[in-house]
Amino acid sequence: DGGITQSPKYLFRKEGQNVTLSCEQNLNHDAMYWYRQDPGQGLRLIYYSQIVNDFQKGDIAEGYSVSREKKESFPLTVTSAQKNPTAFYLCASSRGSYNEQFFGPGTRLTVL
Amino acid sequence: GQQVMQIPQYQHVQEGEDFTTYCNSSTTLSNIQWYKQRPGGHPVFLIQLVKSGEVKKQKRLTFQFGEAKKNSSLHITATQTTDVGTYFCAGPISNFGNEKLTFGTGTRLTIIP
Repeated sequence: DGGITQSPKYLFRKEGQNVTLSCEQNLNHDAMYWYRQDPGQGLRLIYYSQIVNDFQKGDIAEGYSVSREKKESFPLTVTSAQKNPTAFYLCASSRGSYNEQFFGPGTRLTVL
Repeated sequence: GQQVMQIPQYQHVQEGEDFTTYCNSSTTLSNIQWYKQRPGGHPVFLIQLVKSGEVKKQKRLTFQFGEAKKNSSLHITATQTTDVGTYFCAGPISNFGNEKLTFGTGTRLTIIP
């Protein structure tokens, strides 16, 4: 059953701690993306990767880091430098940069 | 940078009324995509339009791509409670040599039963 998964669904962390969000896809897609969504707002691009071992900053990359060591995986680390990390984080993948994106179920991060 | 804007930001309609959201790009698009995000859920792809002036229908939903390929619309006829959610358009835009799908600001639709 092909798809894109994110874990965990809900995550709580104390202020000052780094946290890594998982994103895995078995759709054999080259491109993967991380978005942040705040309540009632649109999608803001954090990082994206068009191919393994390569990634680019999106519109709001400060305080975040990513890696793309495997085609299937694109983990996002929210560092302590991110000033307001509480948000809904969505991972997506696509065959190519301009193709339709498939989204995971998202991770709701709350920093206490 | 180049952007994709949507209007209105919010729309409240009585059940059974029609609904339209408009999408405008600052640049010509090779295609336009539409997504729906239910409350608490994740965006789900609805459709892609490629040709100038193209019109596609999915049951009560009608999607249109402008002649200049810079704008698009989504029209829902006789809304139902299942239509509740946020509708996003998205178009491929190249900014400073980086090509990526750029999402619009979204239109949140609420239905009054």
